[in-house]
Amino acid sequence: SQTIHQWPATLVQPVGSPLSLECTVEGTSNPNLYWYRQAAGRGLQLLFYSIGIDQISSEVPQNLSASRPQDRQFILSSKKLLLSDSGFYLCAWSGGGPDTEAFFGQGTRLTVV
Amino acid sequence: GENVEQHPSTLSVQEGDSAVIKCTYSDSASNYFPWYKQELGKRPQLIIDIRSNVGEKKDQRIAVTLNKTAKHFSLHITETQPEDSAVYFCQGMTTDSWGKLQFGAGTQVVVTP
Repeated sequence: SQTIHQWPATLVQPVGSPLSLECTVEGTSNPNLYWYRQAAGRGLQLLFYSIGIDQISSEVPQNLSASRPQDRQFILSSKKLLLSDSGFYLCAWSGGGPDTEAFFGQGTRLTVV
Repeated sequence: GENVEQHPSTLSVQEGDSAVIKCTYSDSASNYFPWYKQELGKRPQLIIDIRSNVGEKKDQRIAVTLNKTAKHFSLHITETQPEDSAVYFCQGMTTDSWGKLQFGAGTQVVVTP
């Protein structure tokens, strides 16, 4: 069966520090991968999505970047965090077909102080 | 592309009453309509879905109905209980070549005893 791992679960980082969140998927190949951010009590803001290695689309201009060094690995990074980067980050994967559900990682609660 | 509009943004119901959330979509080629539930601090998880070849699907106290002519689908929760309190999201998909998943803005459901 397919599983998705996202870590860490919580993170407290100072302003200006770098960020690296990692997400891996097991049990499937060539998944579509997504990074979402969710402010408290709000919706899912799509940050990045990827249909393959080195095929990444950025949805929102920001100081974040994403990379997909392997088929089932998706990394969210920042060189210098801002206070506004605080939030709940969710990685997700889908099968990529037209009729497909999304499977979410456990999420990372990021607090920038 | 696909726009998914979800209403209402918040819904407060008395325990035992019914709750209805509606999503409208723009792409008539859409064939798959899932709903997700996100409890506080947790990841969104699929609770029910429907495909375009049926008009209604039930699973105990939850049901989803689809009106392809009007391009909307709805989540129905009957006999609501406090554990139904959560944020609910509908999902659509763009018809661009990448098949990006999109979600409604979410509905905060609060069930009061």
